[in-house]
Amino acid sequence: AQRVTQPEKLLSVFKGAPVELKCNYSYSGSPELFWYVQYSRQRLQLLLRHISRESIKGFTADLNKGETSFHLKKPFAQEEDSAMYYCALGETSGSRLTFGEGTQLTVNP
Amino acid sequence: GAGVSQSPSNKVTEKGKDVELRCDPISGHTALYWYRQSLGQGLEFLIYFQGNSAPDKSGLPSDRFSAERTGGSVSTLTIQRTQQEDSAVYLCASSLGPATGSPLHFGNGTRLTVT
Repeated sequence: AQRVTQPEKLLSVFKGAPVELKCNYSYSGSPELFWYVQYSRQRLQLLLRHISRESIKGFTADLNKGETSFHLKKPFAQEEDSAMYYCALGETSGSRLTFGEGTQLTVNP
Repeated sequence: GAGVSQSPSNKVTEKGKDVELRCDPISGHTALYWYRQSLGQGLEFLIYFQGNSAPDKSGLPSDRFSAERTGGSVSTLTIQRTQQEDSAVYLCASSLGPATGSPLHFGNGTRLTVT
Protein backbone atom coordinates (compact mmCIF):
# COMPACT_ATOMS: atom_id res chain seq x y z
CA ALA A 1 0.00 0.00 0.00
CA GLN A 2 1.16 3.53 -0.65
CA ARG A 3 2.42 5.66 2.19
CA VAL A 4 3.70 9.21 2.63
CA THR A 5 5.92 10.19 5.54
CA GLN A 6 6.71 13.71 6.66
CA PRO A 7 9.12 13.23 9.56
CA GLU A 8 8.88 16.77 10.93
CA LYS A 9 5.58 17.88 12.43
CA LEU A 10 7.01 21.30 13.28
CA LEU A 11 9.75 23.29 11.55
CA SER A 12 10.91 26.74 12.55
CA VAL A 13 13.37 28.92 10.63
CA PHE A 14 14.35 32.57 10.50
CA LYS A 15 13.43 34.86 7.63
CA GLY A 16 16.01 34.65 4.87
CA ALA A 17 17.25 31.22 5.90
CA PRO A 18 16.96 28.19 3.61
CA VAL A 19 14.15 25.78 4.35
CA GLU A 20 13.62 22.12 3.43
CA LEU A 21 10.47 20.18 4.24
CA LYS A 22 11.08 16.47 3.99
CA CYS A 23 8.79 13.95 2.33
CA ASN A 24 9.39 10.25 1.75
CA TYR A 25 7.02 7.86 0.07
CA SER A 26 6.51 4.16 -0.56
CA TYR A 27 4.64 3.02 -3.65
CA SER A 28 5.08 0.08 -5.97
CA GLY A 29 3.97 1.91 -9.10
CA SER A 30 5.17 5.05 -10.84
CA PRO A 31 4.52 7.85 -8.35
CA GLU A 32 3.04 11.26 -8.93
CA LEU A 33 3.91 13.63 -6.13
CA PHE A 34 2.38 16.90 -5.00
CA TRP A 35 2.76 19.53 -2.31
CA TYR A 36 -0.38 21.13 -0.89
CA VAL A 37 -0.33 24.13 1.46
CA GLN A 38 -2.79 25.56 3.97
CA TYR A 39 -2.20 29.14 5.11
CA SER A 40 -3.84 30.39 8.28
CA ARG A 41 -7.62 30.68 7.86
CA GLN A 42 -7.42 29.63 4.22
CA ARG A 43 -8.33 26.48 2.34
CA LEU A 44 -5.94 23.72 1.53
CA GLN A 45 -4.59 24.35 -1.98
CA LEU A 46 -2.13 22.90 -4.46
CA LEU A 47 1.36 24.40 -4.27
CA LEU A 48 3.19 22.36 -6.90
CA ARG A 49 3.41 18.98 -8.61
CA HIS A 50 6.51 17.12 -9.66
CA ILE A 51 5.49 16.58 -13.29
CA SER A 52 5.37 20.33 -13.86
CA ARG A 53 8.94 20.82 -12.66
CA GLU A 54 7.98 24.37 -11.78
CA SER A 55 8.91 26.86 -9.08
CA ILE A 56 5.99 28.34 -7.18
CA LYS A 57 6.52 31.18 -4.71
CA GLY A 58 10.21 30.32 -4.80
CA PHE A 59 9.61 26.71 -3.78
CA THR A 60 10.92 23.74 -5.75
CA ALA A 61 10.72 20.01 -5.22
CA ASP A 62 12.63 17.27 -7.00
CA LEU A 63 11.46 13.70 -7.18
CA ASN A 64 14.28 11.34 -6.22
CA LYS A 65 13.15 7.82 -7.06
CA GLY A 66 16.33 6.28 -5.69
CA GLU A 67 15.73 7.75 -2.25
CA THR A 68 11.92 7.73 -2.67
CA SER A 69 11.83 11.37 -1.61
CA PHE A 70 10.15 14.58 -2.73
CA HIS A 71 11.54 17.25 -0.45
CA LEU A 72 10.27 20.83 -0.72
CA LYS A 73 12.93 23.53 -0.73
CA LYS A 74 13.23 27.29 -0.73
CA PRO A 75 16.56 29.12 -0.55
CA PHE A 76 15.30 32.18 1.35
CA ALA A 77 12.24 31.74 3.54
CA GLN A 78 9.74 34.58 3.98
CA GLU A 79 7.34 35.19 6.85
CA GLU A 80 4.38 34.68 4.52
CA ASP A 81 5.58 31.12 3.92
CA SER A 82 4.39 30.18 7.40
CA ALA A 83 1.74 27.52 6.84
CA MET A 84 0.93 23.82 7.06
CA TYR A 85 2.47 21.85 4.21
CA TYR A 86 1.26 18.44 3.07
CA CYS A 87 3.05 16.09 0.74
CA ALA A 88 0.73 13.89 -1.34
CA LEU A 89 1.14 10.80 -3.50
CA GLY A 90 -1.13 10.05 -6.43
CA GLU A 91 -1.92 6.53 -7.56
CA THR A 92 -1.34 5.56 -11.16
CA SER A 93 -5.07 4.93 -11.51
CA GLY A 94 -5.66 8.47 -10.35
CA SER A 95 -8.46 7.65 -7.94
CA ARG A 96 -7.06 9.27 -4.83
CA LEU A 97 -4.27 11.24 -3.21
CA THR A 98 -2.58 9.86 -0.13
CA PHE A 99 -1.42 12.65 2.14
CA GLY A 100 1.31 12.79 4.73
CA GLU A 101 0.73 14.04 8.26
CA GLY A 102 1.83 17.55 7.40
CA THR A 103 4.61 19.89 8.54
CA GLN A 104 3.79 23.17 10.25
CA LEU A 105 6.36 25.70 9.03
CA THR A 106 6.95 28.86 11.02
CA VAL A 107 9.18 31.57 9.60
CA ASN A 108 10.31 33.94 12.33
CA PRO A 109 11.19 37.60 11.67
CA GLY B 1 -16.78 31.62 -9.36
CA ALA B 2 -17.82 29.89 -6.18
CA GLY B 3 -15.51 27.35 -4.67
CA VAL B 4 -16.36 24.13 -2.87
CA SER B 5 -18.97 24.82 -0.22
CA GLN B 6 -19.42 22.71 2.91
CA SER B 7 -22.12 22.89 5.55
CA PRO B 8 -22.39 23.18 8.42
CA SER B 9 -19.04 24.78 9.21
CA ASN B 10 -19.28 23.52 12.79
CA LYS B 11 -21.29 20.70 14.28
CA VAL B 12 -21.48 19.63 17.91
CA THR B 13 -23.36 16.44 18.58
CA GLU B 14 -23.86 13.99 21.37
CA LYS B 15 -22.33 10.55 21.26
CA GLY B 16 -24.69 8.10 19.61
CA LYS B 17 -26.46 10.63 17.40
CA ASP B 18 -26.37 10.60 13.60
CA VAL B 19 -24.92 13.52 11.62
CA GLU B 20 -25.02 14.58 7.98
CA LEU B 21 -22.33 16.70 6.38
CA ARG B 22 -22.95 18.35 3.04
CA CYS B 23 -20.63 19.27 0.18
CA ASP B 24 -21.40 21.37 -2.89
CA PRO B 25 -18.57 20.89 -5.40
CA ILE B 26 -17.47 23.33 -8.06
CA SER B 27 -19.84 23.19 -11.02
CA GLY B 28 -18.53 20.91 -13.75
CA HIS B 29 -16.15 18.99 -11.50
CA THR B 30 -16.74 15.29 -12.01
CA ALA B 31 -14.56 14.05 -9.15
CA LEU B 32 -15.44 14.52 -5.48
CA TYR B 33 -13.46 13.43 -2.42
CA TRP B 34 -14.01 13.29 1.32
CA TYR B 35 -11.05 13.45 3.68
CA ARG B 36 -10.83 13.57 7.46
CA GLN B 37 -8.27 15.83 9.14
CA SER B 38 -7.33 14.98 12.70
CA LEU B 39 -4.59 16.35 14.93
CA GLY B 40 -1.42 14.38 14.29
CA GLN B 41 -3.09 12.19 11.67
CA GLY B 42 -2.79 14.28 8.54
CA LEU B 43 -5.49 13.91 5.91
CA GLU B 44 -7.18 10.53 5.91
CA PHE B 45 -8.88 9.49 2.68
CA LEU B 46 -12.50 8.44 3.14
CA ILE B 47 -14.28 8.12 -0.19
CA TYR B 48 -14.00 9.15 -3.85
CA PHE B 49 -16.69 9.70 -6.49
CA GLN B 50 -15.88 9.96 -10.19
CA GLY B 51 -18.70 10.63 -12.61
CA ASN B 52 -21.10 7.72 -12.83
CA SER B 53 -18.55 5.13 -11.74
CA ALA B 54 -18.94 3.15 -8.55
CA PRO B 55 -17.39 5.14 -5.68
CA ASP B 56 -14.12 4.11 -4.06
CA LYS B 57 -15.23 3.53 -0.48
CA SER B 58 -12.06 1.86 0.67
CA GLY B 59 -11.17 4.62 3.12
CA LEU B 60 -14.36 4.59 5.17
CA PRO B 61 -13.28 3.58 8.69
CA SER B 62 -16.40 1.62 9.64
CA ASP B 63 -19.90 0.75 8.47
CA ARG B 64 -21.18 3.70 10.50
CA PHE B 65 -19.85 5.92 7.72
CA SER B 66 -21.59 6.27 4.37
CA ALA B 67 -21.71 8.82 1.58
CA GLU B 68 -23.71 9.48 -1.50
CA ARG B 69 -23.55 11.86 -4.39
CA THR B 70 -26.83 12.75 -6.02
CA GLY B 71 -27.07 13.78 -9.63
CA GLY B 72 -23.31 13.90 -9.92
CA SER B 73 -23.19 17.06 -7.86
CA VAL B 74 -23.97 17.51 -4.15
CA SER B 75 -22.58 14.93 -1.76
CA THR B 76 -23.62 13.99 1.75
CA LEU B 77 -21.41 12.19 4.26
CA THR B 78 -23.42 10.47 6.99
CA ILE B 79 -22.02 9.22 10.26
CA GLN B 80 -24.35 7.03 12.30
CA ARG B 81 -24.12 6.49 16.05
CA THR B 82 -21.27 8.98 16.38
CA GLN B 83 -18.36 8.22 18.68
CA GLN B 84 -15.89 10.61 20.30
CA GLU B 85 -13.13 9.38 18.02
CA ASP B 86 -15.16 10.71 15.07
CA SER B 87 -14.34 14.26 16.19
CA ALA B 88 -12.30 15.85 13.40
CA VAL B 89 -12.48 18.29 10.50
CA TYR B 90 -14.15 16.69 7.50
CA LEU B 91 -12.88 18.11 4.22
CA CYS B 92 -14.52 17.82 0.84
CA ALA B 93 -12.66 18.43 -2.40
CA SER B 94 -13.57 18.37 -6.06
CA SER B 95 -11.58 18.28 -9.26
CA LEU B 96 -12.15 18.29 -13.00
CA GLY B 97 -10.89 14.73 -13.26
CA PRO B 98 -8.73 12.17 -11.49
CA ALA B 99 -6.55 13.56 -8.70
CA THR B 100 -3.29 12.99 -10.52
CA GLY B 101 -4.30 15.07 -13.51
CA SER B 102 -6.28 17.87 -11.94
CA PRO B 103 -5.67 19.80 -8.73
CA LEU B 104 -8.04 19.21 -5.85
CA HIS B 105 -10.09 22.23 -4.76
CA PHE B 106 -10.92 21.96 -1.08
CA GLY B 107 -13.78 23.37 0.92
CA ASN B 108 -13.37 25.02 4.32
CA GLY B 109 -14.38 21.84 6.06
CA THR B 110 -16.89 20.88 8.73
CA ARG B 111 -15.51 20.72 12.26
CA LEU B 112 -17.32 17.89 14.02
CA THR B 113 -17.21 17.62 17.80
CA VAL B 114 -18.77 14.59 19.46
CA THR B 115 -19.39 15.09 23.18
